[in-house]
Amino acid sequence: DTEVTQTPKHLVMGMTNKKSLKCEQHMGHRAMYWYKQKAKKPPELMFVYSYEKLSINESVPSRFSPECPNSSLLNLHLHALQPEDSALYLCASSQEREIYYGYTFGSGTRLTVV
Amino acid sequence: GQNIDQPTEMTATEGAIVQINCTYQTSGFNGLFWYQQHAGEAPTFLSYNVLDGLEEKGRFSSFLSRSKGYSYLLLKELQMKDSASYLCAVGDSNYQLIWGAGTKLIIKP
Repeated sequence: DTEVTQTPKHLVMGMTNKKSLKCEQHMGHRAMYWYKQKAKKPPELMFVYSYEKLSINESVPSRFSPECPNSSLLNLHLHALQPEDSALYLCASSQEREIYYGYTFGSGTRLTVV
Repeated sequence: GQNIDQPTEMTATEGAIVQINCTYQTSGFNGLFWYQQHAGEAPTFLSYNVLDGLEEKGRFSSFLSRSKGYSYLLLKELQMKDSASYLCAVGDSNYQLIWGAGTKLIIKP
């Protein structure tokens, strides 16, 4: 298995909703990442988990809450989002945080906040 | 500061060759990546250069000059499916990927 699987592929949520994005990989990678990408912009790093511990939090608002239940799973919990949070949310993984040659992206979740 | 520059948009003809340039200024260097991204899809890995020179992989080649802070991606025998954005990214001294804004490549018949 050489894939990073993200669910759901599309999500529409209201500003008062709570939802979660899920990411799963079975490549034995120990580093997992959440990125946010707006149209025609490069990916922006949000969070990095290394060995199931949060190692980087790029000053992301608290309405985004990451969770790494085990080495294969990464969640992003969403609460009280704003319309400007609408974007493509990408999960990625690599063998180690310092070894990103095998950096693999999931297909993303297209999030729309209404 | 850290900066990666690449052209915003390029147009080329099917069957031709196109070169997409990338210049960078980063705190440290741990390799340069090229990714392809079709609209609405995730980036897919194309190449990784950490030493100077040319790396060839089928129709795609990538070149790096560390002294000049410069790379290019060369696409040969262009096909319509090559229409996509091409993202240049550099690993800095903290092993963070610094991304360019991407080059949108339009292929015309």
